Amino acid sequence: DAGVIQSPRHEVTEMGQEVTLRCKPISGHDYLFWYRQTMMRGLELLIYFNNNVPIDDSGMPEDRFSAKMPNASFSTLKIQPSEPRDSAVYFCASSPMGRGSYNEQFFGPGTRLTVL
Amino acid sequence: AQKVTQAQTEISVVEKEDVTLDCVYETRDTTYYLFWYKQPPSGELVFLIRRNSFDEQNEISGRYSWNFQKSTSSFNFTITASQVVDSAVYFCALSAYSGYSTLTFGKGTMLLVSP
Repeated sequence: DAGVIQSPRHEVTEMGQEVTLRCKPISGHDYLFWYRQTMMRGLELLIYFNNNVPIDDSGMPEDRFSAKMPNASFSTLKIQPSEPRDSAVYFCASSPMGRGSYNEQFFGPGTRLTVL
Repeated sequence: AQKVTQAQTEISVVEKEDVTLDCVYETRDTTYYLFWYKQPPSGELVFLIRRNSFDEQNEISGRYSWNFQKSTSSFNFTITASQVVDSAVYFCALSAYSGYSTLTFGKGTMLLVSP
């Protein structure tokens, strides 16, 4: 079975540009998470969705960040305009719901974003 | 509020040494889950283990073992006879047990195993 798929794997952009990160969760998983990983702050949860609905976006750093999940198989995280401090690895994860799910999250390979 | 502390930022060992990674957590929940994830140099996060709080039996899987002590709020991870391939960042995480809850991660411990 395919795991969580993220694209692109690497993105280099210039300050002020719009960046869109993409995620395809594991089929049948009800939850989708976006995380950001930096050396200073470790792994931070940005936002998560349940059945395509955003549940908690309190981790989104500011209005420049937005996330959508138009359907069960696709989500985007957009940064507009991007800034050098947004440079990080962004992970998408998905999780099944229901008896026995145990809250286990399956992570994608990450997108390494560099903003110059 | 939940919190996970991994006090060891970096550990260096020589192959075949045993190594223990510490994890201390804080939670007001009486039941909860604890996790360990591995992040090798390639960058992906790999699930290693999940424990629930009412099962304090230690677990062993090959060279890996986990020691859960509720009395000290610790969930330590030991690698026996370490190998170079064990070099990675290891994360401990915590979630509530009831309903669905997000994971709270520690900052991670980087383990470097040299030949």
